[in-house]
Amino acid sequence: DIQMTQSPPSLSASLGDKVTITCQASQSINKYIAWYQQKPGKAPRLLIRYTSSLESGTPSRFSGSGSGTDYSFSISSVESEDFASYHCLQYVKLPWTFGGGTRLELK
Amino acid sequence: QVQLKESGPGLVQPSQTLSLTCSVSGFSLTSYHVGWFRQPPGQGLEWMGIMWAGGKTEYSSVFTSRLSITRDTSKSQVFLEMNSLQTEDTATYYCARFNWVFDYWGQGVMVTVSS
Repeated sequence: DIQMTQSPPSLSASLGDKVTITCQASQSINKYIAWYQQKPGKAPRLLIRYTSSLESGTPSRFSGSGSGTDYSFSISSVESEDFASYHCLQYVKLPWTFGGGTRLELK
Repeated sequence: QVQLKESGPGLVQPSQTLSLTCSVSGFSLTSYHVGWFRQPPGQGLEWMGIMWAGGKTEYSSVFTSRLSITRDTSKSQVFLEMNSLQTEDTATYYCARFNWVFDYWGQGVMVTVSS
């Protein structure tokens, strides 16, 4: 199975900050990584697929990059609605596996 | 529009069987795949299994021995059955549509395993 190591587990930020979350795969995932936002008590919302492709409705302040085993997700200027948990998912190979999640909190 | 909604009992006794239903609308189960996931309280997401559009299933090795996913295409429903539940199976269970990636998710159903 492909292990996804996501860091940091939690992150404190102020409004307007730039934040970055990383996911490292245990083997190459050929850019097949997606990023999800999840608010308490809600379902995950797909923000980005295939490393950097923004879903319709995803604000442009969100971005993704990476290749091989190393990927990152960034918010260029955090807004109040962005305080949530974020999860990466590799979908190159079964079983599909998630990172442990990152909780973005208000500093 | 695309919608998925999970339903099932909120409380299951240890050693019993969990039965959940994922009711979908806005797409056909014969054209899209549907997966099941779970998320224990305060923890990350875990893929459990998938019902392919062609009718075949695939399961995580973690659950293979006690998980079954079936469907009724005429009712646009996908079913999850998992037996021998233990307290560590307490989680929110989600279904999601697979369209190259899991794009639409249900709201989830919280299941507590307790006597």
